[in-house]
Amino acid sequence: EPEVTQTPSHQVTQMGQEVILRCVPISNHLYFYWYRQILGQKVEFLVSFYNNEISEKSEIFDDQFSVERPDGSNFTLKIRSTKLEDSAMYFCASTPTGPFYEQYFGPGTRLTVT
Amino acid sequence: SQQGEEDPQALSIQEGENATMNCSYKTSINNLQWYRQNSGRGLVHLILIRSNEREKHSGRLRVTLDTSKKSSSLLITASRAADTASYFCATAGSWGKLQFGAGTQVVVTP
Repeated sequence: EPEVTQTPSHQVTQMGQEVILRCVPISNHLYFYWYRQILGQKVEFLVSFYNNEISEKSEIFDDQFSVERPDGSNFTLKIRSTKLEDSAMYFCASTPTGPFYEQYFGPGTRLTVT
Repeated sequence: SQQGEEDPQALSIQEGENATMNCSYKTSINNLQWYRQNSGRGLVHLILIRSNEREKHSGRLRVTLDTSKKSSSLLITASRAADTASYFCATAGSWGKLQFGAGTQVVVTP
């Protein structure tokens, strides 16, 4: 069964460094999302992406964040200058035919900022 | 804001028993979804119920939706140890943005 994959599974970085989290959504999916979950807290929406552009973003998704779909398969989340409070699990998700369908989540990348 | 909030926060039951958890939200929705998360892992979609539906079944899962009360419930029948996980409801807003509740931690003991 097709699945969303994410790399790396765990990333440790120093404050102020740039990180790129990578996701490979399911191949025929059209809508893509990033969420994050700080340890012990709710899953929070970051950004949605459709037709090669951001369709919606949350207040969390400030100028330090960017997303890109550089080719037909990868979907990346970049944090330009990481802060301690960026430490969280980051989940990528995708959905096939429209935004109002079930979302398929990847296993997540645990980002630790020291 | 439209957010699912689950109740109870934690539930401990024995194998074979039913588990019921509730979710409330604040604004109108297109659909409401339930997800499961095993400790430290990704989210697994369980069931989606649209705003014009009142009840939906999938295997041992039964979901109800009451849009007049802005609430939903998830029932897991004949629970198994493998059902131990956190369960989240999520409301779908514009562009499919999901807003999650804090979740219900379910522990099923053999």
